Amino acid sequence: GAVVSQHPSRVICKSGTSVKIECRSLDFQATTMFWYRQFPKQSLMLMATSNEGSKATYEQGVEKDKFLINHASLTLSTLTVTSAHPEDSSFYICSAAPPGRDYGYTFGSGTRLTVV
Amino acid sequence: GENVEQHPSTLSVQEGDSAVIKCTYSDSASNYFPWYKQELGKGPQLIIDIRSNVGEKKDQRIAVTLNKTAKHFSLHITETQPEDSAVYFCAATALSGGSYIPTFGRGTSLIVHP
Repeated sequence: GAVVSQHPSRVICKSGTSVKIECRSLDFQATTMFWYRQFPKQSLMLMATSNEGSKATYEQGVEKDKFLINHASLTLSTLTVTSAHPEDSSFYICSAAPPGRDYGYTFGSGTRLTVV
Repeated sequence: GENVEQHPSTLSVQEGDSAVIKCTYSDSASNYFPWYKQELGKGPQLIIDIRSNVGEKKDQRIAVTLNKTAKHFSLHITETQPEDSAVYFCAATALSGGSYIPTFGRGTSLIVHP
């Protein structure tokens, strides 16, 4: 149980375009999901906390107008990278935990974004 | 905020040897300490965790110890196998803004040579 699916696994886009990444909890409802960014050989950096039915909470230094988060249902959160630039190229990962298991987060398989 | 230090950054062992990865944390309010294994191009996978009211936990070849007084915890892998090769992250979790947010260490790249 507690499966988190992330799509797409890889995406290449041109500079200036927008890219949407989906994170779905397959067998549980998640009122909260988290979005991370990971640079090569580095740790996971929390970008934002996605809350179902309300605005996301962004970490300091993360541009909320650039990284749009929508958590429209209890099983889906989306991260849209707007007007992407090569420096946005990174590995993006989401995570969530079933209700009552607030500690043990399950991670998605990640999305490799390359902006050319 | 929480600060998690993880050592070593790289660990190379021979198959069958033991591997130990150590982490320290700064926030005494942290009370949950998961360990994640991340293989290349994949998301992290929870392999073992420990809560602050427990000093040690074991699951087959993997064990985790916690010293809350000293604010450090360790991952022990015995009888290592090549498939254990991956990046391992420790994390310390505390309540922040209504959610339990893990702070991750910088990761340890474990290489197990056949």
